[in-house]
Amino acid sequence: EAGVTQSPTHLIKTRGQQVTLRCSPISGHTSVYWYQQALGLGLQFLLWYDEGEERNRGNFPPRFSGRQFPNYSSELNVNALELEDSALYLCASSLEKVSGNTIYFGEGSWLTVV
Amino acid sequence: AQSVTQLDSQVPVFEEAPVELRCNYSSSVSVYLFWYVQYPNQGLQLLLKYLSGSTLVKGINGFEAEFNKSQTSFHLRKPSVHISDTAEYFCAVTLSGGYQKVTFGTGTKLQVIP
Repeated sequence: EAGVTQSPTHLIKTRGQQVTLRCSPISGHTSVYWYQQALGLGLQFLLWYDEGEERNRGNFPPRFSGRQFPNYSSELNVNALELEDSALYLCASSLEKVSGNTIYFGEGSWLTVV
Repeated sequence: AQSVTQLDSQVPVFEEAPVELRCNYSSSVSVYLFWYVQYPNQGLQLLLKYLSGSTLVKGINGFEAEFNKSQTSFHLRKPSVHISDTAEYFCAVTLSGGYQKVTFGTGTKLQVIP
């Protein structure tokens, strides 16, 4: 069974540009989470989608947005990129809502903003 | 809101020695606790989790953790580490019930010295 898959794996963008990261959850999982892992800052919660709806949002500016499609895959969009957006963006999925359910992570998308 | 603290950013330990990685959480209500491991250039994978019941939880790769409600701790232990245990370890907490996000600590890098 395929795990959580993310694309692209690496990308370089210029400050001010926009980026879209994609995530496919494990088959049967309806919840998708996005985390930002910047150097030395651990994992910062970005967004949580379940059944197509945004269920929770972390403390990030509105230029971070996303959506979940009917097949439960998800996109994370970041507009007006800033240098500090350089990080590993991790997508994770779980069955239904999280409490107690294990969340399974993809290997991430490395974003470098220059 | 819940939070989790991993006081040790790096823990060096000799091969075959025991190790304890510390995790303390803050919450006024019931929580679920997790330990995840991140090997270099990979996503996170679950080591173990505490939902309820026995306070001693056994996970994969010989790791275990003990939930201590009075000390609000969930320390991770292994009696004898191997070179392959070199990785970053993240403690995480979520509130029980509802759409509760998972909050991660800043991580502890375990370096096993041959």
